[in-house]
Amino acid sequence: GAVVSQHPSRVICKSGTSVKIECRSLDFQATTMFWYRQFPKQSLMLMATSNEGSKATYEQGVEKDKFLINHASLTLSTLTVTSAHPEDSSFYICSARAQGGSYYGYTFGSGTRLTVV
Amino acid sequence: GNSVTQMEGPVTLSEEAFLTINCTYTATGYPSLFWYVQYPGEGLQLLLKATKADDKGSNKGFEATYRKETTSFHLEKGSVQVSDSAVYFCALSASGGSNYKLTFGKGTLLTVNP
Repeated sequence: GAVVSQHPSRVICKSGTSVKIECRSLDFQATTMFWYRQFPKQSLMLMATSNEGSKATYEQGVEKDKFLINHASLTLSTLTVTSAHPEDSSFYICSARAQGGSYYGYTFGSGTRLTVV
Repeated sequence: GNSVTQMEGPVTLSEEAFLTINCTYTATGYPSLFWYVQYPGEGLQLLLKATKADDKGSNKGFEATYRKETTSFHLEKGSVQVSDSAVYFCALSASGGSNYKLTFGKGTLLTVNP
């Protein structure tokens, strides 16, 4: 089945530094990638949606300059948390949507636990 | 807009008990409905789905039926196991619109005790 590889699974960074999270679709073309943030014991909050080769669409309240999303190819999307601060500590999950067929499937990465110290 | 309301947790059951997690939705058009499961420290895995009214999704002993008349997609399992302990999310994807974004419920934590 469809697999999305998300790396790193855990990262600890110092306040003020930037962190890049990668999501790769391993055996399908991801026309659309979704980036979510999940707080402890809470649901997923959609941060942005990106289509290959175009700018990401951010949800209301999400800072575009802080959370940079790049979807340069049909198999790779990256989320860069710039100038990270402790309040950015969270669990980030990507999801790729494959096009085609009667069911537009969503495949999730395994998530990245970001801790900013 | 679209929304998903699911049963507040946490839910604690003994092994082999019957499970129901309620989920209702509000959406325009004809959404596809999903249940996802999240094990601790992991991403989401698709548990089952239904794409049209009266469809029944099933997987690993779990079932849910797409009920358009009651706008519901309740998750059921006849006999839970300890390994079913996880957070369960009900979600919908609206037909039409841009990018088919998933709308999630808040999640229900299930704990199954031996």
